Amino acid sequence: NAGVTQTPKFQVLKTGQSMTLQCAQDMNHEYMSWYRQDPGMGLRLIHYSVGAGITDQGEVPNGYNVSRSTTEDFPLRLLSAAPSQTSVYFCASSYGGTTTEAFFGQGTRLTVV
Amino acid sequence: GENVEQHPSTLSVQEGDSAVIKCTYSDSASNYFPWYKQELGKGPQLIIDIRSNVGEKKDQRIAVTLNKTAKHFSLHITETQPEDSAVYFCAASNTGNQFYFGTGTSLTVIP
Repeated sequence: NAGVTQTPKFQVLKTGQSMTLQCAQDMNHEYMSWYRQDPGMGLRLIHYSVGAGITDQGEVPNGYNVSRSTTEDFPLRLLSAAPSQTSVYFCASSYGGTTTEAFFGQGTRLTVV
Repeated sequence: GENVEQHPSTLSVQEGDSAVIKCTYSDSASNYFPWYKQELGKGPQLIIDIRSNVGEKKDQRIAVTLNKTAKHFSLHITETQPEDSAVYFCAASNTGNQFYFGTGTSLTVIP
């Protein structure tokens, strides 16, 4: 049981480049979400999904796109990377409902130069 | 939206002493309050959680208390050990798909 798997673990981008951060879970969780973690700011929600085909914005969605074509996968796309998107990105999944544990991946450290 | 504040930002304790981390939240609709431990280079991992219909919960050396009236909840770690050194985050949620996190507490346990 792999849990939540994120790839890549590290990435350096040039300003204006695009890329996709991958997230996959094998726990058959309905809920998936993306957070970014910045020093002194905790984790902030970027986008989330409550099931295949359903996505919504979180606190800091600008500059990011998501889609959810399958239950297992929830990729995060940066269309035109900016230095302000330098951060550590975490994907999380949970069964759903109002009081359920979120399981996090190991994170992707992204640097935009 | 929800606003979660966490204090202190750093905490150093001697091995064997207790550590307390406090959080406040703003949205009275929040009903689930998890605590996560994050070790260097890893993702956050749930260590304990509490629901709004419960005032206190214990799991061995870890306990969490919730005061709904005052909108605050706390993490208590007793008999601290060096392996407790990590960053701890509190969070609040009322939907199960949106978690609002505190800014984290870096705990150092000094042997």
